[in-house]
Amino acid sequence: GAVVSQHPSWVICKSGTSVKIECRSLDFQATTMFWYRQFPKQSLMLMATSNEGSKATYEQGVEKDKFLINHASLTLSTLTVTSAHPEDSSFYICSASHPKPGETGSITGELFFGEGSRLTVL
Amino acid sequence: QKEVEQDPGPLSVPEGAIVSLNCTYSNSAFQYFMWYRQYSRKGPELLMYTYSSGNKEDGRFTAQVDKSSKYISLFIRDSQPSDSATYLCAMSAGKTSYDKVIFGPGTSLSVIP
Repeated sequence: GAVVSQHPSWVICKSGTSVKIECRSLDFQATTMFWYRQFPKQSLMLMATSNEGSKATYEQGVEKDKFLINHASLTLSTLTVTSAHPEDSSFYICSASHPKPGETGSITGELFFGEGSRLTVL
Repeated sequence: QKEVEQDPGPLSVPEGAIVSLNCTYSNSAFQYFMWYRQYSRKGPELLMYTYSSGNKEDGRFTAQVDKSSKYISLFIRDSQPSDSATYLCAMSAGKTSYDKVIFGPGTSLSVIP
């Protein structure tokens, strides 16, 4: 399957600082990437949809000024947690849709995920 | 009522057993159904992808979709300790990148040697 790389895999930061997480599609171009948050023993919560060359679409309740998303190229999306607080500590995961050969667009659901980034804010 | 319901487990079975994992959903518009496997502290990995009702088999894994009952299942035959993970069902209504994929909370599975 397609490979999505996420970096860093874990990060510890002080309260008030900003943290940037990168998500790269290594062997395909992803016009759309997704950012999720996952709490222990809970499901993936979609935070935002990242579209290359345009503004991200945020889910209800997600602060766009706190979770800055940039999708500057077809292989890279970044999530920046600004002024992080302990309650932002979580597992953040990105995913990208991989279009099948011959398909004009991406098939919903065939998402390939990064390894996740565990953020701990002290 | 949540859009996707899934028994969180934990489910513990002996090696070689047949495992049945299930999800129910409420949105009749869902037509794409997926199963993901997630190991601890890792991102989910796509296992099975099905469209509409019916069965799909891939090695030891079989996915079933019953849209009339809004019920999907994943069967694992000859379960192995390496199958120990959390299994997430997921589903979507549309066929474009912009359609939201809804995940179940996941079922934790342990296969005991």
